Amino acid sequence: GEDVEQSLFLSVREGDSSVINCTYTDSSSTYLYWYKQEPGAGLQLLTYIFSNMDMKQDQRLTVLLNKKDKHLSLRIADTQTGDSAIYFCAEKLSNYQLIWGAGTKLIIKP
Amino acid sequence: EAQVTQNPRYLITVTGKKLTVTCSQNMNHEYMSWYRQDPGLGLRQIYYSMNVEVTDKGDVPEGYKVSRKEKRNFPLILESPSPNQTSLYFCASSLSGRSASGANVLTFGAGSRLTVL
Repeated sequence: GEDVEQSLFLSVREGDSSVINCTYTDSSSTYLYWYKQEPGAGLQLLTYIFSNMDMKQDQRLTVLLNKKDKHLSLRIADTQTGDSAIYFCAEKLSNYQLIWGAGTKLIIKP
Repeated sequence: EAQVTQNPRYLITVTGKKLTVTCSQNMNHEYMSWYRQDPGLGLRQIYYSMNVEVTDKGDVPEGYKVSRKEKRNFPLILESPSPNQTSLYFCASSLSGRSASGANVLTFGAGSRLTVL
C-alpha cells in the first residue's frame, strides 16, 4: 500500500543547514509537497515538485528527489529560529487525495 | 484576504453532545476537505468534497458527517462525539481537484482543537 514516512524530530544549530527526509512508496508519476506548520497555525505550502524533476530550489529551500529510492528531502540553508515548525511531506495519490507523512518537528538550538 | 475560516478554534464538550465545526472559504474553490491531526499520525482525511452536493469519504470517516450545500461552506458534524474524536481538526480547500497545473495546492484553516470528555 501507499505510505509516506518521515522522522518525527530533527535538531539543528542556528545557522546550520537542516535536511528533512521523507520516503514515499507510490511508483506512478505524481506531485510531492512540503508543507510547514507553525505553532498554533494551519499548514502552509512551502514548495512542491513533480516526480519527473530531480531538484527544485527557492531561496533558502532546496528540494531533492531520488526517484529510484523514492526519497524526497528538504534542505533549509542558514536555519533561523523562525524555521522552528513541523514540516510535512505529502504525496498526491489522486486528484482528490494526498498521503501525508507524520511530520518532522524541527528544533533550533541557539 | 484569501482564507479558510474555521469555528470554533477551541471546544471542550461531553460525550454524545452533537456539535458542528464550520468551515468557510472565500476563494471560490471547488475542492474542500477535512483532516484530523493526531501526534505521530500526521494528517488523516475524514471527508472531502469535489464540488457542491458532491462529497466522499476519506480514510477515517466513522463518526463524522459533512454537507456541501454551498460552494463556500463545508461543515463537519459530529452527531454523537466520543473521546476518541479528541483531536486537532483542519479544513482545507483548493481551486479544483482537476486543476490545470495538477499540483492541487491546499489552503488550510488555522485549526479547531476539540476535546471530548
